[in-house]
Parts: sequence; structure tokens; C-alpha cells
Amino acid sequence: KNEVEQSPQNLTAQEGEFITINCSYSVGISALHWLQQHPGGGIVSLFMLSSGKKKHGRLIATMNIQEKHSSLHITASHPRDSAVYICAVRGPGGSRLTFGEGTQLTVNP
Amino acid sequence: NAGVTQTPKFRVLKTGQSMTLLCAQDMNHEYMYWYRQDPGMGLRLIHYSVGEGTTAKGEVPDGYNVSRLKKQNFLLGLESAAPSQTSVYFCASSSAGPYEQYFGPGTRLTVT
Repeated sequence: KNEVEQSPQNLTAQEGEFITINCSYSVGISALHWLQQHPGGGIVSLFMLSSGKKKHGRLIATMNIQEKHSSLHITASHPRDSAVYICAVRGPGGSRLTFGEGTQLTVNP
Repeated sequence: NAGVTQTPKFRVLKTGQSMTLLCAQDMNHEYMYWYRQDPGMGLRLIHYSVGEGTTAKGEVPDGYNVSRLKKQNFLLGLESAAPSQTSVYFCASSSAGPYEQYFGPGTRLTVT
């Protein structure tokens, strides 16, 4: 069992739909990261969480420490949101990240 | 600022050849990382560095060597390339806390 599990692996939505991507982890962590990988390959950091909830524009990330679970929500999805979304966790006392396999999101117009 | 840059963007090697990938960052970050990304797998850490002159092994270090002679540069070397090293390689850097990582554009390496 991987330390970081994402679901679903693939997600297709219509423009305007509300999107949820889930991430579960099995080890103690100090922080959880959500990243976006564009079709061209570039990877950018979206959020870094240690608890609670963060919002940036149409993106919302939540984290439940007790359940070892995080969700990434996209409101009013748009075709430009099509990308791979990656969850990663950072262990206590270090900088190293362990990554999930990613969720491929396709938003159709 | 250029952020994190990688050289080259693409490379094709024959089995047994050697090469060096260069990563450079202009954000004065202490930490630098080399990852590989393969289909169906998450990013995997090859080697990392917590400061100039230091390096450490990651999850999949075999067949690779690294050097961090200058704070802004992190080099990844393949001494004798193998087809199993065909992958996309990403470099990243972060400050020493809060550890948000900034990624380079990637290098696509094919070993035939």
C-alpha cells in the first residue's frame, strides 16, 4: 500500500461542475502539499497545509488530521483547469516529500 | 527571476553513455532535489541536498550521482546510462522552512 493514495485516478467533468479530488495518507506528517502539473509538464505548488482549510480563487484545500485525509475542490471548473493534480506529504522534521500518483482531470467545454 | 532552470530539456543517450543534468536556482534556496517521474508512478526522489557541499540519497539513488559545489547549482550525473533510466527528470528547490518546493521545467531523457 502506497503511503499516499489519491482518488480518482482519472476524472472527466463538464465546464462549470464542482470537482473534488481526494488524498489519503498512512503516516504521520507535518504538512500536505497540493501541486498541479500542466499538460506541458510544468509543476506548480497550489497549497501547503498543516491543518484546516485554505482557499485561493476557485480552489479550496481541506485537511482532516484525525482521518489522515485531504481534499482539493475546484468550483466552477473550466477547461483551463485540465491538468494532473498531485498530493504530496512531508514527514515530521524534514523537507522530503512523498508523492501520490496524481489525478488526471479533464474539463470539457 | 528565472526561478528553477534545467539543462538540457531533451536528451537521447545510448546504453553505457554518461551525461550530466544541470539544475540552477536564483532564489537563494538552501534545499535542492532531483526527482524522476515515470508513467503510473508518483514523483520519486533520487538525491537531495540541504546546503552547499552536502548531498544525501533519496528513494531511488542507484545509478545516479550528484554534486552541489555552489548553492545555486545541483548537478545530476549518470555514469553509465541504462534503458531503465528513461524518464522525465525534475529538479526542485525550497527554503529551509516552510519547504514549499519550486520545480524546474523537466528534462526528458531517453536511453536506447
